[in-house]
Amino acid sequence: EVQLVQSGAEVKKPGESLKISCKGSGYSFSNYWIGWVRQMPGKGLEWMAIIYPGESDTRYSPSFQGQVTISVDKSISTAFLQWSSLKASDTAMYYCARQRDGSLFDIWGQGTLVTVSS
Amino acid sequence: DIQMTQSPSTLSASVGDRVTITCRASQSIRNWLAWYQQKPGKAPKLLIYKASSLQSGVPSRFSGSGSGAEFTLTITSLQPDDFATYYCQQYNSYSWTFGQGTKVEIK
Repeated sequence: EVQLVQSGAEVKKPGESLKISCKGSGYSFSNYWIGWVRQMPGKGLEWMAIIYPGESDTRYSPSFQGQVTISVDKSISTAFLQWSSLKASDTAMYYCARQRDGSLFDIWGQGTLVTVSS
Repeated sequence: DIQMTQSPSTLSASVGDRVTITCRASQSIRNWLAWYQQKPGKAPKLLIYKASSLQSGVPSRFSGSGSGAEFTLTITSLQPDDFATYYCQQYNSYSWTFGQGTKVEIK
């Protein structure tokens, strides 16, 4: 079965760092871009960034450039999204998703809820 | 950046109704348009890609049409399982943008 499994919910304080993960299985992980999508509470979907595991090529939405860092470890078929200094406004559900055909996201992780509160 | 505008934001309908959701792009995106369904507490699910291609396993009551800058998602004979929020999404030059969503509610 093709799937993406994300790491569990996190509760952090403002200023703390965080790295969440997304592990792919059931397909050739290196050959598909993996994207990250934010969904703030009660709001819509926002594309954040995308990475190609085969070459670690990355693209960022201008809205998220410099705010987060994406990376990948091909050896364990896992993509990562990280923050160096969290803000309360980073509180959201974060989804990873496999990109197919250069344009769509066909497989989604279950989401990782990040709560940032003092 | 290309902006995507969906209408309506909320739609009230009954089981068996035909439902149409519109998505407009701020510039032409040819047919690089996908539709997703999201239920509360769940990840989005791909329904339609390249404007009109049905994703495997998606019921045939879902269909998509359009090209350029105007697109529609149609659900013929709405089913109880279809009450959810629907998003369109465009791709252009390594940039992906979602519409703001359309919530389909029970009338």
